Amino acid sequence: GDSVTQMEGPVTLSEEAFLTINCTYTATGYPSLFWYVQYPGEGLQLLLKATKADDKGSNKGFEATYRKETTSFHLEKGSVQVSDSAVYFCALRFMGGSEKLVFGKGTKLTVNP
Amino acid sequence: DGGITQSPKYLFRKEGQNVTLSCEQNLNHDAMYWYRQDPGQGLRLIYYSQIVNDFQKGDIAEGYSVSREKKESFPLTVTSAQKNPTAFYLCATTRSGFDYEQYFGPGTRLTVT
Repeated sequence: GDSVTQMEGPVTLSEEAFLTINCTYTATGYPSLFWYVQYPGEGLQLLLKATKADDKGSNKGFEATYRKETTSFHLEKGSVQVSDSAVYFCALRFMGGSEKLVFGKGTKLTVNP
Repeated sequence: DGGITQSPKYLFRKEGQNVTLSCEQNLNHDAMYWYRQDPGQGLRLIYYSQIVNDFQKGDIAEGYSVSREKKESFPLTVTSAQKNPTAFYLCATTRSGFDYEQYFGPGTRLTVT
């Protein structure tokens, strides 16, 4: 079945460091891909999305490119801030199937000043 | 303000008691979802409903029940049959359309002792 694999955390960086969180997926067809962020004690917020191959989603300095050839959707940010500390979830939705999302297990990011 | 309300934020129950978690939305979204989140496990789908008076089991429906009598409301009952009910519960809705991104409520943390 459809699945998402994220790099395991936790990830600890210093402020202004470069961030990459790897995400690969397994699905039949061409799913829409999402990154969600969860701050402590809160629900999830959509960070960015891509709906077709080679699309680049971007928001708040974060970017991810839908790579069909490598079935990947890695999250990147050039210079992280303390306020980026959160748990990040990669997710997919298979177009044409049910409306469910399949989530990765999440990667906890801590950014130190 | 449009949004998703989950109440209460924290809920405590004794083992053997049923408990109902509330989820209300004023986004006019058709589909609603319940997820369970445990540390290191990501999000797991419990139940979802795409229209009023209809719902489907997710991946971990055993020990849970739902109803969808109104478009705005999708309450989740955690029954005494659920072996490990202590968790963070998240409600979500889907905006209909091509990308089907999900919107999340703030969550309810249930502790059963």
